[in-house]
Amino acid sequence: QITLKESGPTLVKPTQTLTLTCTFSGFSISTSGVGVGWIRQPPGKALEWLALIFWDDDKRYSPSLKNRLTVAKDTSKNQVVLTMTNMDPVDTATYFCAHTEGENYDWYFDLWGRGTLVTVSS
Amino acid sequence: DIQMTQSPSTLSASVGDRVTINCRASQSISTWLAWYQQKPGKAPNLLIYKASRLHSGVPSRFSGSGSGTEFTLTISSLLPDDFATYYCQQYNSYSWTFGQGTKVDIK
Repeated sequence: QITLKESGPTLVKPTQTLTLTCTFSGFSISTSGVGVGWIRQPPGKALEWLALIFWDDDKRYSPSLKNRLTVAKDTSKNQVVLTMTNMDPVDTATYFCAHTEGENYDWYFDLWGRGTLVTVSS
Repeated sequence: DIQMTQSPSTLSASVGDRVTINCRASQSISTWLAWYQQKPGKAPNLLIYKASRLHSGVPSRFSGSGSGTEFTLTISSLLPDDFATYYCQQYNSYSWTFGQGTKVDIK
C-alpha cells in the first residue's frame, strides 16, 4: 500500500525559505519509472504543479517558479524534499506531494498525500 | 507553457443526470490527459488517465474521451457522492498543467 505524507512549517514569514518533506512508503524512488511530484493549491483556487523528481534524479520544475524551487530525494529515508525561496503571502496554499510511475511520458499522479497548509504572514 | 481551459466553471445538476465537462489544451497533447475529483479539504483522486483509461477502483459511470486538444469527462448518471470539483491535467513532454476546475453542485 502506497502512502505519502507532507510535513513542514505551517507558518513562514515573507522572504523566508520554505522546506517541505514528503515521506512515503510502499514504493522505492530508486525503482525505474517512479517519481514524486509537488503540487499546491491556494485556498479556494485551482491546483498548480510545482516540481517533480524521477528515480534517475531527473528534476523538472514549473517554468514560472523554477528560479525559486529545488527538489531532492533521499532514497535511504524514503523522502523527497522541496525548498521554495523568498516566500510571499501569495504562496499561502496547501502543498501536496504525489506518486507517479510510468514510462514514455505516461506520468500522471495516481496517489496523493493529504497535503499540508502553509501560511505566509509576518 | 501548455494552458488547460475547462468549461463550464460551475455545473448545477441533479442526481441521475448525465454530466459532461470539457477540457481544452492550448496545443496538442496527444492523449496525455488525466482527470481528478476533489472534495473540500481532501486531496484529489485520480479518475481517468491517458484520456480514456479508467483508474483502478473508479466506477464505470465515469468515462473520458478525446485527443489532441479537446477532451471530455462524462458521468453517465450522477450520484450524491459525485458532487465535487473536477480537474483535468495534461502531462505532455515533462510538463504538467491543471485546468482551473469545474465544480459540480446540486441543482
